[in-house]
Amino acid sequence: AQSVTQLGSHVSVSEGALVLLRCNYSSSVPPYLFWYVQYPNQGLQLLLKYTSAATLVKGINGFEAEFKKSETSFHLTKPSAHMSDAAEYFCAVTSGGSYIPTFGRGTSLIVHP
Amino acid sequence: DSGVTQTPKHLITATGQRVTLRCSPRSGDLSVYWYQQSLDQGLQFLIQYYNGEERAKGNILERFSAQQFPDLHSELNLSSLELGDSALYFCASSGGLAWGTDTQYFGPGTRLTVL
Repeated sequence: AQSVTQLGSHVSVSEGALVLLRCNYSSSVPPYLFWYVQYPNQGLQLLLKYTSAATLVKGINGFEAEFKKSETSFHLTKPSAHMSDAAEYFCAVTSGGSYIPTFGRGTSLIVHP
Repeated sequence: DSGVTQTPKHLITATGQRVTLRCSPRSGDLSVYWYQQSLDQGLQFLIQYYNGEERAKGNILERFSAQQFPDLHSELNLSSLELGDSALYFCASSGGLAWGTDTQYFGPGTRLTVL
């Protein structure tokens, strides 16, 4: 079985500050890990994914995430937040040849001027 | 614009009714995925079709069914609707089979309200 925990349903940062969104997973086999962003009234958009290549994954819009097996984590970061980054962010995992993904509950990123 | 279209955008219906949601994938994509997003359950994968065949099944209720047609568009049928079925239903498409390696492109969703 696999599961995803996103710590913090809401994260608030100031424009220009570091963004850190946390994701921990559990999986009995090596996972594939994903971060998606959802802007208001839109569908999900893939930010980045880890599929067992480099542990530091760079995505779109300046986001990156690091796969840490020992910590079972895949936290999402961005050095400097922009107002346009305000959105809902979802971490997801799939593993073991199963095509059934499990999503976290999402973290709402709020960016203050 | 992801290239995935969904109709209708909004749907309001009553308990016990049946509705059909439609999805047209991006040109050339063979896989279609359906998801449900609700406040109670979060985002859940329902079902995947690849080139007309069912490939993976998630938390899809027996009252729900889907199919993918020869032109690759897909329909999600929801019957005997309950209040708890109120949610956003997303369709996504990708070129291949593998959730792990394919990038999925999501449509804008259909918001279903059951009264």
